[in-house]
Amino acid sequence: NAGVTQTPKFQVLKTGQSMTLQCAQDMNHNSMYWYRQDPGMGLRLIYYSASEGTTDKGEVPNGYNVSRLNKREFSLRLESAAPSQTSVYFCASGRAPPGGGYTFGSGTRLTVV
Amino acid sequence: GDSVTQMEGPVTLSEEAFLTINCTYTATGYPSLFWYVQYPGEGLQLLLKATKADDKGSNKGFEATYRKETTSFHLEKGSVQVSDSAVYFCALSEGSNYQLIWGAGTKLIIKP
Repeated sequence: NAGVTQTPKFQVLKTGQSMTLQCAQDMNHNSMYWYRQDPGMGLRLIYYSASEGTTDKGEVPNGYNVSRLNKREFSLRLESAAPSQTSVYFCASGRAPPGGGYTFGSGTRLTVV
Repeated sequence: GDSVTQMEGPVTLSEEAFLTINCTYTATGYPSLFWYVQYPGEGLQLLLKATKADDKGSNKGFEATYRKETTSFHLEKGSVQVSDSAVYFCALSEGSNYQLIWGAGTKLIIKP
């Protein structure tokens, strides 16, 4: 049982480049989430998907887009990367509503130069 | 709105010491409460949870009791080990809200 799988684990981008972070879960969870984690800033929610076919903005959505491809997969896209998007990105999934808590992926460390 | 406040870190203890990490919350209803742990270089893992007042969550020697009268969910462990060094996050969820509300995290350092 893999849980939540994120790819890639590490990425370096040049300013202005685009990329997609992939996330897949095999726990049959309805809700999925993308967070970023910066030193001293804790966890900040970028986007979430309460169920297949729906997505909603979180606290810091600017510069990002998401796609809930199916129940298992939830991708995060940076259309034109900026140095301010250097961060560690975590995907999570949970039952809806999250009374049982979330399961997190191991993260993607992104550096934009 | 709902919020979670944790004690600032880092918290530095010697091995076998008693641990308390304070967490207090504000919520309009009756939230579920969680502690997550993040080991260096890893994602967050659910450590324990409690879903109603006076519930005690426990796991790996850690405990936390849901205290509605003091709106607290303090994390405790009787004897810490070097392997407990990590960042600990307190969080709450309320009703049908799909978003967890997170504390800022407390870094714990255990010295041999």
